[in-house]
Amino acid sequence: GAGVSQTPSNKVTEKGKYVELRCDPISGHTALYWYRQSLGQGPEFLIYFQGTGAADDSGLPNDRFFAVRPEGSVSTLKIQRTERGDSAVYLCASSYDPTGANVLTFGAGSRLTVL
Amino acid sequence: AQSVTQLGSHVSVSEGALVLLRCNYSSSVPPYLFWYVQYPNQGLQLLLKYTSAATLVKGINGFEAEFKKSETSFHLTKPSAHMSDAAEYFCAVSAPTGTASKLTFGTGTRLQVTL
Repeated sequence: GAGVSQTPSNKVTEKGKYVELRCDPISGHTALYWYRQSLGQGPEFLIYFQGTGAADDSGLPNDRFFAVRPEGSVSTLKIQRTERGDSAVYLCASSYDPTGANVLTFGAGSRLTVL
Repeated sequence: AQSVTQLGSHVSVSEGALVLLRCNYSSSVPPYLFWYVQYPNQGLQLLLKYTSAATLVKGINGFEAEFKKSETSFHLTKPSAHMSDAAEYFCAVSAPTGTASKLTFGTGTRLQVTL
């Protein structure tokens, strides 16, 4: 597509529930990133994929968070046993190549609210 | 490791006045530096980037930034503010080696433009 698409745009869930957030990157972009933006903060890196593999998952806060990209295109961020502290906007970005200073194109984000 | 500090979480200027948003960075290697803008309910959009070429970088919408190694700064400026410039602005840094597109963001500066 023309841009990075993220669904859902808004998700409200209860503490302890399981949540999936989807990201559809720009066609042909091999690198895909997930960031988390809490209220009043800048985006924080979670994980980055090069193709199908997670090349760097150092930003995932704990083992409740997991992400996949099985076919090297669409990615799903999965959060188990959600906690109120997980409430944030989850941003996805893609780029043509992770090396150099290639520009990341961001989606509009998925706003997660955990009650 | 890299980090950025944005001085001033809120900046207010009059329409037509100079815009100056401050960013200082910390990096153990010569960095790549970026400014992104975020409008409400939209994704982050790149304004400009510095990748070790010219130290004065011109971006979109009349914005520019100057890389000053001696001051470890990358301040964003615009000679004359427009109402449409009201948004949140993020400075970001990455390392030119390895995953150069993995960005570390500042906490953001919200720009208000008044009549």
